[in-house]
Formats: sequence, C-alpha cells, structure tokens
Amino acid sequence: SQKIEQNSEALNIQEGKTATLTCNYTNYSPAYLQWYRQDPGRGPVFLLLIRENEKEKRKERLKVTFDTTLKQSLFHITASQPADSATYLCALVRGSQGNLIFGKGTKLSVKP
Amino acid sequence: DAGVIQSPRHEVTEMGQEVTLRCKPISGHDYLFWYRQTMMRGLELLIYFNNNVPIDDSGMPEDRFSAKMPNASFSTLKIQPSEPRDSAVYFCASSLTVAKNIQYFGAGTRLSVL
Repeated sequence: SQKIEQNSEALNIQEGKTATLTCNYTNYSPAYLQWYRQDPGRGPVFLLLIRENEKEKRKERLKVTFDTTLKQSLFHITASQPADSATYLCALVRGSQGNLIFGKGTKLSVKP
Repeated sequence: DAGVIQSPRHEVTEMGQEVTLRCKPISGHDYLFWYRQTMMRGLELLIYFNNNVPIDDSGMPEDRFSAKMPNASFSTLKIQPSEPRDSAVYFCASSLTVAKNIQYFGAGTRLSVL
C-alpha cells in the first residue's frame, strides 16, 4: 500500500532562514501532491498543489518541488517568520479514487 | 461561506456511551470526508461520501463506527459503544471535486472517552 513519510517530526530554524521540509512516498506516483498547514486546535488548511508533470510550484514565499524519480516532494518557506510556526502535512491524491493519504506532518518552529 | 462546521468542539464521555459528531460541509461541495487524528497514527481517512452516498468506508475501524449523510448539508459520525481508544480529534472535510481533491477542513471535535 502507498506510504508517505515526512522526514522529521520537528524542525527548528532561525527567523529569516529558509525552511525545507521533505515528503517521501513509496509505490506509485500520485496524480497530485498537496501541502497543508495545521495550527494547534485547528483543522488543516490547504496551501499548495503540484501535479506529477510539474517540477516546481511557487506561491509568495512558498515553493514546492516534485521529483517522481526520487519519489519526493520538498516544501520550502523562504525568509521564514515566527508566524510560519505550525505543523505542515503533505498529502497524496490517488487518481480518481478520491482518497487523500496524509503524512504525519513536520512541526516547524521559527525562532525570532 | 462559513466553511465546514463541526459540532461539538469538545466531547467528554464515559466508556460505553454513544457519541454523535456532526458536520455541515461547504455548500455546493459534492464530497464529504471524515478523518481521525492521533499522535501515533496521524490523520486517517475513515469514510467519504459523494453526493450523500458512502463511497469508501474501508477506514472505519469497526462496527461500532457508523456514518450517515441524510442530505447535502449534514453528516454524522456515530460511535456506539465508545471506548477509551476512540479518544482522538475527529475532522470533517469537504471538497468540490475529487480530481484535485483540495479539501476544506472543519475545526474538529476533540473526543475524550473516559
């Protein structure tokens, strides 16, 4: 069965630096890969989606890459701010089946 | 739109009691999903509906769990009888299409079974 692993449970960085989070998956390549942000006590909020035939996607300070050879997605936050502190989840979309498979998330802490 | 609305936000109950969680999806969204989130297992899909019809309930842990969607604006997840291991945060989410499947989550219900 498809599995997703996010490289670390927690990541601590200094304000202003670039945060890089990793999402690895096994088996087949998904049609889409998504990234969500989750704050304590709240539900996940969609951030970015990247298709399997796209190498890179950007939105303001966020950048997502998708390497189907490595079976990996990288999520970057440039010029990080304390307000970026949250848990970030990656999720795979399985074709037309309608299922999202989520990683367990990486908790990012940005220190001032 | 107010987004996906879940109630209650917190539920504390005793083992053996029936628990009902409620969800109102975003108007116009054809898909509704129920998830459970724990530290150990992360976010797990329990069941999802398309146009009020259950499509995949393979994630429902056991017969104690049931879900219904009587109309496009309301769904329930019921646990009967509840057990301490059911303690978790339960999320409802809705999406417009299944192709990209961008999901909008509610704030969740934190369930504690004593």
